[in-house]
Amino acid sequence: DGGITQSPKYLFRKEGQNVTLSCEQNLNHDAMYWYRQDPGQGLRLIYYSQIVNDFQKGDIAEGYSVSREKKESFPLTVTSAQKNPTAFYLCASNPQGGEKLFFGSGTQLSVL
Amino acid sequence: KQEVTQIPAALSVPEGENLVLNCSFTDSAIYNLQWFRQDPGKGLTSLLLIQSSQREQTSGRLNASLDKSSGRSTLYIAASQPGDSATYLCAVTIAGSARQLTFGSGTQLTVLP
Repeated sequence: DGGITQSPKYLFRKEGQNVTLSCEQNLNHDAMYWYRQDPGQGLRLIYYSQIVNDFQKGDIAEGYSVSREKKESFPLTVTSAQKNPTAFYLCASNPQGGEKLFFGSGTQLSVL
Repeated sequence: KQEVTQIPAALSVPEGENLVLNCSFTDSAIYNLQWFRQDPGKGLTSLLLIQSSQREQTSGRLNASLDKSSGRSTLYIAASQPGDSATYLCAVTIAGSARQLTFGSGTQLTVLP
């Protein structure tokens, strides 16, 4: 089945630790996105990539980093510089020129 | 800066009722508007997408309308069912923004059996 796979579903971060969230898609989509969702709020864009080896900052990129070495993969690293990382993280993709977004099932990140 | 507002934040209705969810946005220079459904602890599923040149889109019991000049969209759900219970979010794509979406905070819908 085609789709977007996010792992892990739950992740815990210790103080000062970097953690990486995985996002893999087999839809052959060119564009991929990372969003953050806080309780009772809409989604906010962290980073996006429209092509391999290229990515752009979204509205809240500080404290996060990404890479896009393969078309299928767009991992997000939450660094120790992100002081309030507890949130639900969603990865999405769409084909070049496409408008409908396809989402993964999300990763809940919490701080120990 | 584009802002998207959804009111009410939560809504509870008895099964079978027709209902309307509201979405408003501050900047009418949009490329399109999408309605999404989100179940608890899950990702989003796209329900309907309306281009800026369109007035409405329909899919089954769902009908979404767009009035770009007034900055409003509505999602009409006919004959609601308990399975419709979820959070519904609207999002606008800003014109010329490389397809960046601005999301509302959603309306949490509960349909009571």
